[in-house]
Amino acid sequence: GEDVEQSLFLSVREGDSSVINCTYTDSSSTYLYWYKQEPGAGLQLLTYIFSNMDMKQDQRLTVLLNKKDKHLSLRIADTQTGDSAIYFCAETGDSWGKLQFGAGTQVVVTP
Amino acid sequence: EPEVTQTPSHQVTQMGQEVILRCVPISNHLYFYWYRQILGQKVEFLVSFYNNEISEKSEIFDDQFSVERPDGSNFTLKIRSTKLEDSAMYFCASGTSTDTQYFGPGTRLTVL
Repeated sequence: GEDVEQSLFLSVREGDSSVINCTYTDSSSTYLYWYKQEPGAGLQLLTYIFSNMDMKQDQRLTVLLNKKDKHLSLRIADTQTGDSAIYFCAETGDSWGKLQFGAGTQVVVTP
Repeated sequence: EPEVTQTPSHQVTQMGQEVILRCVPISNHLYFYWYRQILGQKVEFLVSFYNNEISEKSEIFDDQFSVERPDGSNFTLKIRSTKLEDSAMYFCASGTSTDTQYFGPGTRLTVL
């Protein structure tokens, strides 16, 4: 079945770049997403990429997609303490609208 | 900026009781979803809803679950007879198309 995997934890120093990685198994994925969850809050849609693209940039966020290797990454430039959160990778799986999530990567930004 | 809202933020119930979790999607959205996250596990899809009917449901969404859009603004998830294993965070989401989903803050359901 479909599966989305992420590393569980990332520690980064303030001002450095963070790179969060995700792999997925479903080759029929049409869209891939990054969501952010701060403590006590819901899932905030950060960005998403269509599967026929290999890169998307949005201010400090850069998404890279390697469809051949089924690898998605999120780079956060100039990481700030407010970027500390859990980041979820998700893909559309085998049907529209049904998101398949990874377990989330806890990002801790240290001063 | 418009947001999806959910009530209550925390619901405690006894096993076997019925609960209704409420969501107010973003006003011009047409697609509605429920997901849940059991503590320590991944966020799981439950059901999608469009044009006043269920588009897709997961195997988790069995006969004890139902969804309804009782009026133009609310979207509800009913669990008829709660079990201990229904304890989870339940997220509602909505979107203008199936491309993007905007999530609410969640309702934490605790079944005792």
